[in-house]
Amino acid sequence: DAGVIQSPRHEVTEMGQEVTLRCKPISGHDYLFWYRQTMMRGLELLIYFNNNVPIDDSGMPEDRFSAKMPNASFSTLKIQPSEPRDSAVYFCASRGQGGVDGYTFGSGTRLTVV
Amino acid sequence: AQSVTQLGSHVSVSEGALVLLRCNYSSSVPPYLFWYVQYPNQGLQLLLKYTSAATLVKGINGFEAEFKKSETSFHLTKPSAHMSDAAEYFCAVSGGMDSSYKLIFGSGTRLLVRP
Repeated sequence: DAGVIQSPRHEVTEMGQEVTLRCKPISGHDYLFWYRQTMMRGLELLIYFNNNVPIDDSGMPEDRFSAKMPNASFSTLKIQPSEPRDSAVYFCASRGQGGVDGYTFGSGTRLTVV
Repeated sequence: AQSVTQLGSHVSVSEGALVLLRCNYSSSVPPYLFWYVQYPNQGLQLLLKYTSAATLVKGINGFEAEFKKSETSFHLTKPSAHMSDAAEYFCAVSGGMDSSYKLIFGSGTRLLVRP
């Protein structure tokens, strides 16, 4: 298995532009999670899906953030419009049923908003 | 709500010395506990996990951790540090009373290894 695949690895955009981050989870994993990592706030859970359905989006910072999972093999995290304070590394992770096996993380997308 | 506390944002050891990274959890029911490692510009890699089996857990790269319910701790150790161990280490908790098994991370500890 190729693991959790995120794209792009790096994204530099101007303030006000729309940004879309992509994630392909491990095949067979029922849960998908989006995390944001910053120096100030550490690793924050933004939203997670179970069987493609959003379960808890309480970590999404603002309405500018939205996430979708149209099928079991693809998810997007969109920021519109982007702001400099959105600059961070965004990680996607997936896991199977139960919590025993932990999560498998992607390599992350480093977003810079200028 | 469950949480983990990692004592020390930075730990510095000499190569060959003992590594001890501290983690305490807060949960009314014994949860699952994990240690992840993050190398620069990379994602998080699972080092080891406690899932209510043996309390002493061995992981990759010579690391191990012991679950101590009485102390609500899950400290990470390695007998002899190697230069390649320099990275950031995260303790995480899931399960317990939270049936969603959301993974909640500590703030991380950056391990520096001196030659």
